[in-house]
Amino acid sequence: ETGVTQTPRHLVMGMTNKKSLKCEQHLGHNAMYWYKQSAKKPLELMFVYSLEERVENNSVPSRFSPECPNSSHLFLHLHTLQPEDSALYLCASSRTGTGISEQYFGPGTRLTVT
Amino acid sequence: GQNIDQPTEMTATEGAIVQINCTYQTSGFNGLFWYQQHAGEAPTFLSYNVLDGLEEKGRFSSFLSRSKGYSYLLLKELQMKDSASYLCAVRGQAGTALIFGKGTTLSVSS
Repeated sequence: ETGVTQTPRHLVMGMTNKKSLKCEQHLGHNAMYWYKQSAKKPLELMFVYSLEERVENNSVPSRFSPECPNSSHLFLHLHTLQPEDSALYLCASSRTGTGISEQYFGPGTRLTVT
Repeated sequence: GQNIDQPTEMTATEGAIVQINCTYQTSGFNGLFWYQQHAGEAPTFLSYNVLDGLEEKGRFSSFLSRSKGYSYLLLKELQMKDSASYLCAVRGQAGTALIFGKGTTLSVSS
């Protein structure tokens, strides 16, 4: 148990489908993140929530819509995706403030868009 | 712009020592992190440097030179289970998310 869980672990969806990815952290952290990891590319930060408010949004297409109802849960709503959106989507959490505040990652959701 | 560079692949043999280098150019600096990621798994935290110098943690050590924008991860007494991707990441400003390099895939052979 890493302390950060993600469901589903694998998802195959068509371009017209709507689905949601879920992340839950059990570490008492107050910041949560969505990253996209594609082959041969660095981890790309998508969204950051700190104290349940979105604080970073790195030019992500509107077909990705995040939701953070509380400090323990984070969702990524997906609709009308493209094949190039196929990737590993990683959720992470951390404490905010000064100090090390390392990020703890979930196992990821492997998304395939057909 | 923000840029983090590290070699794409490295190979080594069991029992050896390997050094993975990372250079960075970021707007601001508030710490450098190394993560290990085995295939199909989540990245796990290895080390953190915010001041110049060497941080040692068992078989793994990490070094930072802020003036040179340079870090390395040193792995000693390599084991087969050390075969993984090693990610260098920088936090540019306090309280912000990490910026990751592409990762270095290390293959350890017997």
